[in-house]
Amino acid sequence: GAGVSQTPSNKVTEKGKYVELRCDPISGHTALYWYRQSLGQGPEFLIYFQGTGAADDSGLPNDRFFAVRPEGSVSTLKIQRTERGDSAVYLCASSLSSRANTGELFFGEGSRLTVL
Amino acid sequence: AQKITQTQPGMFVQEKEAVTLDCTYDTSDQSYGLFWYKQPSSGEMIFLIYQGSYDEQNATEGRYSLNFQKARKSANLVISASQLGDSAMYFCAMREGRQGKLIFGQGTELSVKP
Repeated sequence: GAGVSQTPSNKVTEKGKYVELRCDPISGHTALYWYRQSLGQGPEFLIYFQGTGAADDSGLPNDRFFAVRPEGSVSTLKIQRTERGDSAVYLCASSLSSRANTGELFFGEGSRLTVL
Repeated sequence: AQKITQTQPGMFVQEKEAVTLDCTYDTSDQSYGLFWYKQPSSGEMIFLIYQGSYDEQNATEGRYSLNFQKARKSANLVISASQLGDSAMYFCAMREGRQGKLIFGQGTELSVKP
């Protein structure tokens, strides 16, 4: 498809389990971002990739959260030992990084994570 | 550190009227970008409009315009001729420099009344 694709759209898990969320960005977009959005709040930045490397991971809340983008396209957000407070919608976005455009982010529809 | 403040948790507007959604920001950078996004109840984030810190003219995109007041560090979104489909959450966001993360405000929920 032409847009940012996220899977799964919904994930229910139990406290303490491991979870992986996948993001497939728009083809040709070099920058990829992960955000977390709790109900009634604005998206909260987690991590940003430029190509294969994490250019800014300052938003990851703790070492239970990790993300990879091994080939510079698809990214996986990994959450270990999930806690109830991790329940949120996880948004992925991608953008073109060039001086010729505004660099707006194109968002996927999100993965809703519920930790019981 | 960069910060975005949206002080209006909720706003109401009559259909066909104009509405202004407030946004103030804080940054020490001279080069930055300001964005507005719309998030309907379906959840997708829709890009509306962009203003660069060096742009002298206020940005406009159809019924959306951005009232950029650099000295006051404000970037208010103006929606003209409101439509029922404009009912949604609206987020202001900022990026320092030309690349990197966007930092979002808390959002304003706009309700358009028929």
